[in-house]
Amino acid sequence: AQKVTQAQTEISVVEKEDVTLDCVYETRDTTYYLFWYKQPPSGELVFLIRRNSFDEQNEISGRYSWNFQKSTSSFNFTITASQVVDSAVYFCALTPIIQGAQKLVFGQGTRLTINP
Amino acid sequence: ETGVTQTPRHLVMGMTNKKSLKCEQHLGHNAMYWYKQSAKKPLELMFVYNFKEQTENNSVPSRFSPECPNSSHLFLHLHTLQPEDSALYLCASSQGQASSYEQYFGPGTRLTVT
Repeated sequence: AQKVTQAQTEISVVEKEDVTLDCVYETRDTTYYLFWYKQPPSGELVFLIRRNSFDEQNEISGRYSWNFQKSTSSFNFTITASQVVDSAVYFCALTPIIQGAQKLVFGQGTRLTINP
Repeated sequence: ETGVTQTPRHLVMGMTNKKSLKCEQHLGHNAMYWYKQSAKKPLELMFVYNFKEQTENNSVPSRFSPECPNSSHLFLHLHTLQPEDSALYLCASSQGQASSYEQYFGPGTRLTVT
């Protein structure tokens, strides 16, 4: 069985602070993909990043960075110099590497509020 | 806009009603998904269709009935729902050939069962 845990239900910070969203996963699969999605108030989830279980390199995209550590089954997401527009619910998700459509398992989500 | 549309955006229905949710994607994808998002549970995968064939039914009660007439359209037919079925229902699509492709989500239908 697969499980994704986002222990932080809600985080509130002041604009320009750095913030890290935690994600811990469990899977018996040796190969898998990890994802982060953002859900703004409008409702639709927006894809942020995909990470292959073979690739433990950290990734940076502008103010966003991701730290994948297979040894601790974690895939944490950091926003540097946060902005009000970053306010949203963020989801971490996992799928095995298979042919065909995904079978995503989502974490509970972390509601991030950036205060001006 | 992600290229995935859902109608209606809001729906209130009684427990004896029959209604349908519609999802349409304009991205040329082959896989389509229904998710349920309620306040107390994480996003739950309900159904998956790939190349119009149902490949996943995540133990969903029979009062929810999906239909996928072609790769661009996905419906969720609802009948004799319960108040606990009130939730945001999200549709998504992706390339269907492999699980590496990210999903594109619609804005959801906010369903209230009275």
